[in-house]
Formats: sequence, structure tokens, C-alpha cells
Amino acid sequence: GAGVSQTPSNKVTEKGKYVELRCDPISGHTALYWYRQSLGQGPEFLIYFQGTGAADDSGLPNDRFFAVRPEGSVSTLKIQRTERGDSAVYLCASRSDAGQETQYFGPGTRLLVL
Amino acid sequence: GQSLEQPSEVTAVEGAIVQINCTYQTSGFYGLSWYQQHDGGAPTFLSYNALDGLEETGRFSSFLSRSDSYGYLLLQELQMKDSASYFCAVKRGTYKYIFGTGTRLKVLA
Repeated sequence: GAGVSQTPSNKVTEKGKYVELRCDPISGHTALYWYRQSLGQGPEFLIYFQGTGAADDSGLPNDRFFAVRPEGSVSTLKIQRTERGDSAVYLCASRSDAGQETQYFGPGTRLLVL
Repeated sequence: GQSLEQPSEVTAVEGAIVQINCTYQTSGFYGLSWYQQHDGGAPTFLSYNALDGLEETGRFSSFLSRSDSYGYLLLQELQMKDSASYFCAVKRGTYKYIFGTGTRLKVLA
């Protein structure tokens, strides 16, 4: 079946602009994660959804970052007033809640803030 | 606080065996996962250990010692395609995963 998809694959924006990053998880996966990965680092936890609700958003760096998952499937990560330090790869992962440990990662969105 | 430590880089030759260690310090420990990531690619799941001992999956094995807060990934019969970054990730509680900084494995011909 289809894996996790993310759009856009690349996004270049100017400092101060607003961006939206989209994640389409594997169908039926109730758990969805957003991570941020900088060069040479591991994925850094941002937010976790269980169904439609954000069960844990403790990893969001500040209030410029927000994520939604209104129907329990597709999720959007929103970044307001982007800063150069936001440049990174944003990864989405989904996981079946049926006792499975595997997180299935999408290919990521490479965000560059100029 | 919490921390994970793994070597930044490991080099080995084709056909050899390599072990990538991971030590961790965290509260609420549930288990340890391993992921592989090729340059420019997405992380892919390799293994998960919740209990002490060795788990084997083909050429890859993963080990956990909860009392020592230590685990390792063992790769046997190394192939060129195994050149990638390998991340250990601690599961804290029922859903949260904290990733290490990764070990870059170079396999030489």
C-alpha cells in the first residue's frame, strides 16, 4: 500500500513569511508524529497526534509553530513568521496503534528560509 | 534530564561485522528502537527492544540491557548498501520517541 507522503518536498521562503507543510499518513494509522531534523542530527520530536487531538505538543519550539489534524488523517504543520533558524527537514511519521512499534516516515519537506 | 550517546562514525569493510552502541539516560523508559537513514532519505525502522536480550532479524540484531541503560545494533555480513546513518531512539512512556544524534557507518570495499 501507499506509504507516508509529504508535500511539498522542498520549500524555499523568505524570512517572516508563513508556510504550511502537509503530511498524508498511512491509511488507518491513528498515531501521527512531526519531527524536525537538522543536518547531522537525529529527528527531534515536535508533536504527537492520537486521532484528531494533539496529545503532546511539548516539542514545538515556540508559538510560531502550530499543527492540526482535523479529521484524524492528513496533518498540516504551520509555521508563522519564519526565521532562518527554522531551516531544516520536517519529517512526518505515522504508526498503527495496534501494538506496533514501527514508525513509518515520510520523505520529509526540506524547508529553507532565506 | 535525558541523553543518548552513540559514536558519530564507524568504518568497516564489506563482509565484516560491526556493532553500534547506544547508551541512554532517561526517565520513563519503555524501550529502544533502531532506525536506518540513507543520505537524503527517510528513516526506516530496523528493530525495537523492550526487554533485555538479543533480537535477530536477518543480518541485523539488536541488544538491550535495561540495567546498564545500554543497547547495540549488530550488523553482520556488511554490504555496501549498509552505508548509512543509524539512530537509536528511546521510547519514553507510551508514545514518545527521543532520537540520538546518529552513527554514520561507512562500508569500504
